[in-house]
Amino acid sequence: SFELTQPPSVSVSPGQTARITCSGDALPKLYTYWYQQKPGQAPVLVIYKDSERPSGIPERFSGSSSGTIVTLIISAVQAEDEADYYCQSADTTGTSFVFGTGTKVTVL
Amino acid sequence: EVQLVESGGGLVQPGGSLRLSCAASGFTFSGYSMVWVRQAPGKGLEWVAFIGRSTTAMYYADSVKGRFTISRDTVRNSLNLQMNSLKDEDTAVYYCARDEGAKGFDYWGQGTLVAVSS
Repeated sequence: SFELTQPPSVSVSPGQTARITCSGDALPKLYTYWYQQKPGQAPVLVIYKDSERPSGIPERFSGSSSGTIVTLIISAVQAEDEADYYCQSADTTGTSFVFGTGTKVTVL
Repeated sequence: EVQLVESGGGLVQPGGSLRLSCAASGFTFSGYSMVWVRQAPGKGLEWVAFIGRSTTAMYYADSVKGRFTISRDTVRNSLNLQMNSLKDEDTAVYYCARDEGAKGFDYWGQGTLVAVSS
């Protein structure tokens, strides 16, 4: 199996930009997905295929990829963006899925 | 409107069994792969099992392989997870989610809590 590593926490002031990284050796060959989870709620998909945004997700959410690191970018952060964020990918055979370790985003 | 509603959670003793269900509505259930994902108290997300559209493809996390069985009922539009030989570490909220392939796990249920304790 493979692992995806995220920073445990990121703090950002309202209106600023939050960047959450996800690193994994196999990421250059795989798509990455991002999920937002607020306390007591189910996860919500916010980015798919590294940088695509599902319908209904605000434009301030974007994604980028470079080598073994993918990044979720939240521009002009709002208080409602405070949540846990998880990256996710699949192995190259498509028979196993993995989530990152999760990052708690705190809006100061 | 796509809806996924889990049921079947509860308290069970170590070594016991439990069967979770996920009722799907608002989409053509037979046209999508489905997954179970769990979250232990205060911990992160962990993928548990996957079932393809045709049920010929079923994959499991190493932590549950040989103990859990995923299945689907296309008549009742239901996803199931049979959990046997339960361990303390299986305690978690279990979510079902729709797998949209390259578009990720795009819809999730609200989860059902499984507590394994003596």
